[in-house]
Order: sequence, then structure tokens, then C-alpha cells
Amino acid sequence: DVKVTQSSRYLVKRTGEKVFLECVQDMDHENMFWYRQDPGLGLRLIYFSYDVKMKEKGDIPEGYSVSREKKERFSLILESASTNQTSMYLCASSFPTWESSYEQYFGPGTRLTVT
Amino acid sequence: GEDVEQSLFLSVREGDSSVINCTYTDSSSTYLYWYKQEPGAGLQLLTYIFSNMDMKQDQRLTVLLNKKDKHLSLRIADTQTGDSAIYFCAVSGSARQLTFGSGTQLTVLP
Repeated sequence: DVKVTQSSRYLVKRTGEKVFLECVQDMDHENMFWYRQDPGLGLRLIYFSYDVKMKEKGDIPEGYSVSREKKERFSLILESASTNQTSMYLCASSFPTWESSYEQYFGPGTRLTVT
Repeated sequence: GEDVEQSLFLSVREGDSSVINCTYTDSSSTYLYWYKQEPGAGLQLLTYIFSNMDMKQDQRLTVLLNKKDKHLSLRIADTQTGDSAIYFCAVSGSARQLTFGSGTQLTVLP
């Protein structure tokens, strides 16, 4: 059974703080993704990674960065948190496309509040 | 880029069928998915359909795909209160990414 875990379910941070969100998957997936979820907007892709030390921007990368030093771990970094980054953050992982149907497996999410 | 549209809300009575609709713009999408999100949880894959299929049935779930109209639907038979959740339509694009709709909040009334 695929398991994707996220370091925190709830986080409260102050404006200007540096915030780290961690995601770990245990299925040796090559692909990992970070989304934010806001009511009425669905899931929007922030960054993704197809391999260790590799990253690509998604649709809304501004204000975020990522790190993938190990295959199983993908970190999302908010360099200087702002109130408009208050959201639910979801991590996902998937097999390489030639092995799968592109299906993504999701973690439980981190609800971040920036005050 | 790809655009995926869903209505935001749907209410049904317990025991009735629910139909959640989705439209998309990219006709080259290979796989189309339905995910379910229960309160406070991540997304869970319910089912998916390959683009060369018209229909897929899995117990109480029926997925219909109309490629000509770029329309995907999810029918839940005999809807139960445990089916109350947000349902997301997603489509695979030209890369390894998925594009998600806004989600449909399904409320099942007793």
C-alpha cells in the first residue's frame, strides 16, 4: 500500500517566517508534486520533481521553492510567509509514466495558517 | 493550458443516484480520473478511465466519457451518507502532470 506522509497536519506561522513543509513517500516513486488547495479553485500545482535534485515550476511557483535531496522526500519552502499563502497544501507522488496510468497518490495535507 | 470545469455543489437524497459532471478542453488527455476527498483528508483515487473507453463500471460507480463533447461524468448509484465528500475530476496532459477541476461538494441528505 502506497503511503505518502506529510510532516504536519496543522501549522500556524507568522508573516515573514520561513516555513518548511515535508513530504515523504515509501513506494520508490520518481515523481513528486506539491499542490495548494483553496475553496472553489481546486488543486493548483506549485512545483514538481521527476528525480532527485530535479525540480520544475508548476502553475503558481511565486513565493515558494522546493528541495529534493533524496528520492523519497520532497520539501516545500515558503521563504517569507505571507497571509495569502494560508491554504491547504497537498503532496503527491506517482510512478514514471511508462510504468503507470499517471495516477497520483496523495498525502493527508497540511493546513497552513499565516497570521 | 488545459482547463477542467465542474459545478461546485450537488445535493441528493440518500438512496438516489448522484451524477457529477466534468468538462475538459484538451482532447489529447490519455487518462481521466475521479478522486474523492473526505473532510480533513487528502485525495483518494476512486476510479479512472482510459481515453479509448466510453464507459467503466465499478460496483456503485459508473464513469461515462464522451470524447466528442469532452465530457466526463461519475454516477454513484444508491448514494449513501458516507458518499458525502468533494469529488475532483482530473485529466492527464501532455506531460506527467494532472489538471484538476475545482471539485464538486456532494451532500447526501437523509
